[in-house]
Amino acid sequence: ETGVTQTPRHLVMGMTNKKSLKCEQHLGHNAMYWYKQSAKKPLELMFVYSLEERVENNSVPSRFSPECPNSSHLFLHLHTLQPEDSALYLCASSPGTGDHNYGYTFGSGTRLTVV
Amino acid sequence: EDQVTQSPEALRLQEGESSSLNCSYTVSGLRGLFWYRQDPGKGPEFLFTLYSAGEEKEKERLKATLTKKESFLHITAPKPEDSATYLCAVLPEAAGNKLTFGGGTRVLVKP
Repeated sequence: ETGVTQTPRHLVMGMTNKKSLKCEQHLGHNAMYWYKQSAKKPLELMFVYSLEERVENNSVPSRFSPECPNSSHLFLHLHTLQPEDSALYLCASSPGTGDHNYGYTFGSGTRLTVV
Repeated sequence: EDQVTQSPEALRLQEGESSSLNCSYTVSGLRGLFWYRQDPGKGPEFLFTLYSAGEEKEKERLKATLTKKESFLHITAPKPEDSATYLCAVLPEAAGNKLTFGGGTRVLVKP
């Protein structure tokens, strides 16, 4: 399998549930990202992991918790979410700081609905 | 603060009716400007990278241009399969690997 793979594609969860989103990249990239895409809003960067930096975004609520065990895998752990957290969650990867010719490679996203 | 504004928000075209999408940006220094295409229910797909004012890139019916303040994505003689949301993003000099995205332009091409 090639590219950036996200699972699950769709997720419906209650506000008291705990779930995790998974992202895997097979491109040999050194940086991975979580973005949130809500209706009528620009893509919002949530978290960045790379060899050069691990960026915790202070504006993201603590009910979202990232984990990056290695350069190929990225998780987003979810707990006690709110209905306004319903959105498309996109994972992306990039070669790293030195190569910007192709920007990011995105996965197909996880459509999350919080009920 | 780095900002990216895309216009119009939505564009309805007849097949063959050429048009342009605008991406205006303000950044402290630009390392690159990117165009992506996004189909419903999918992640964005890379189209172009532009690095300096005056640069142009083409792919099939799409042509991207760049000035010091904005970029245009020209769609020549569009077909229904060009219907998608087109996203613009900038990579500022001081941003590490972090792209800043615009809100996108939804394009619908009717046969």
